[in-house]
Amino acid sequence: EAGVAQSPRYKIIEKRQSVAFWCNPISGHATLYWYQQILGQGPKLLIQFQNNGVVDDSQLPKDRFSAERLKGVDSTLKIQPAKLEDSAVYLCASSFGLAGAETQYFGPGTRLLVL
Amino acid sequence: GENVEQHPSTLSVQEGDSAVIKCTYSDSASNYFPWYKQELGKRPQLIIDIRSNVGEKKDQRIAVTLNKTAKHFSLHITETQPEDSAVYFCAANNAGNMLTFGGGTRLMVKP
Repeated sequence: EAGVAQSPRYKIIEKRQSVAFWCNPISGHATLYWYQQILGQGPKLLIQFQNNGVVDDSQLPKDRFSAERLKGVDSTLKIQPAKLEDSAVYLCASSFGLAGAETQYFGPGTRLLVL
Repeated sequence: GENVEQHPSTLSVQEGDSAVIKCTYSDSASNYFPWYKQELGKRPQLIIDIRSNVGEKKDQRIAVTLNKTAKHFSLHITETQPEDSAVYFCAANNAGNMLTFGGGTRLMVKP
């Protein structure tokens, strides 16, 4: 079974530039999550989708971050404009359903450095 | 919202010794508690999880215990090996299966 795929793996941009990350979840997984992991901290959930609908985006900084999952499979996360404090690893995860106690499987992450 | 505290932040043990990492959570509705292992530069990997209908779960050298009354759960690793060295994260869910992670424990196993 293929795992969660993400690209790019690394990205370096200057502040105020835009950047986009892509995620392909495990086949058949209805729920997709985007996390931000700042160096030395645990992952922090940004947004959760079930199929193509947003379940929760309460921790997404909506003035600069946006995410979509148009066809209920792949997802993109965008930052525009980027700030220095956005430097982090952006992890995508997926789970089979939304019911409580579903195991989440993580992708390799995109490491973002904002200069 | 949910708050998860994890201790200690770093733990150094001798190979063969046991390691214990403890977490507390705040939301009494939480019913799923996974533990992830993250090696440097790698993705978090699920190593064990426990659901609120059981108090203990074991998988070879790894065990997790849950005390719902006290709202804390712990990871126990016995007979530690150098390859156990990594950062370990606990997490707790809410009703929508959103996970809140602890701050992580850096485990170092000295040969």
